Amino acid sequence: EPEVTQTPSHQVTQMGQEVILRCVPISNHLYFYWYRQILGQKVEFLVSFYNNEISEKSEIFDDQFSVERPDGSNFTLKIRSTKLEDSAMYFCASSDWAATNEKLFFGSGTQLSVL
Amino acid sequence: RKEVEQDPGPFNVPEGATVAFNCTYSNSASQSFFWYRQDCRKEPKLLMSVYSSGNEDGRFTAQLNRASQYISLLIRDSKLSDSATYLCVVKGPTGGSYIPTFGRGTSLIVHP
Repeated sequence: EPEVTQTPSHQVTQMGQEVILRCVPISNHLYFYWYRQILGQKVEFLVSFYNNEISEKSEIFDDQFSVERPDGSNFTLKIRSTKLEDSAMYFCASSDWAATNEKLFFGSGTQLSVL
Repeated sequence: RKEVEQDPGPFNVPEGATVAFNCTYSNSASQSFFWYRQDCRKEPKLLMSVYSSGNEDGRFTAQLNRASQYISLLIRDSKLSDSATYLCVVKGPTGGSYIPTFGRGTSLIVHP
């Protein structure tokens, strides 16, 4: 079964540094998402991306965050000047289309630890 | 009011038991509903979609009550391998898109 892949699986960084989390969505999917999950808390929506632009973003997704699809396969989340509270598991997801009943496929996540 | 609410549990049941989880949602314009399963520190995986007429997949039955804005999941004949967190997901209008919103999850522990 095709899958979403994320790299790295773990990322440790110092507060104030920039990190880039990488995702390769399923090849024929058109809609891409980033979610995060702080330990012990719920999965929170960050941003959705379609047709090379952001389609929706949450209030969490402030100027510190950006997304990019630099080529036909990768989808990246950049976090500038990381803060301690950015420590979380970051999940990338993709779907074939945005129909209301279309399911999301998730990658295995990147665990980000900000020290 | 939280968008998607679930009882966090944990529900601690013996093998073979039947267990039910509920989930309530606040946005009456929500269009689609899902149950996902999440194992510890892993990604969410789709368990089943929830259809208006209710649907069943083996030991799992999902129901939707639009009037009361809640969704349920029933697990029959629980197995040890059913131990996980069950996430209620509601897809509702956000701006011009339909964004999946997750509940906090209900923890299930099935013991021998």
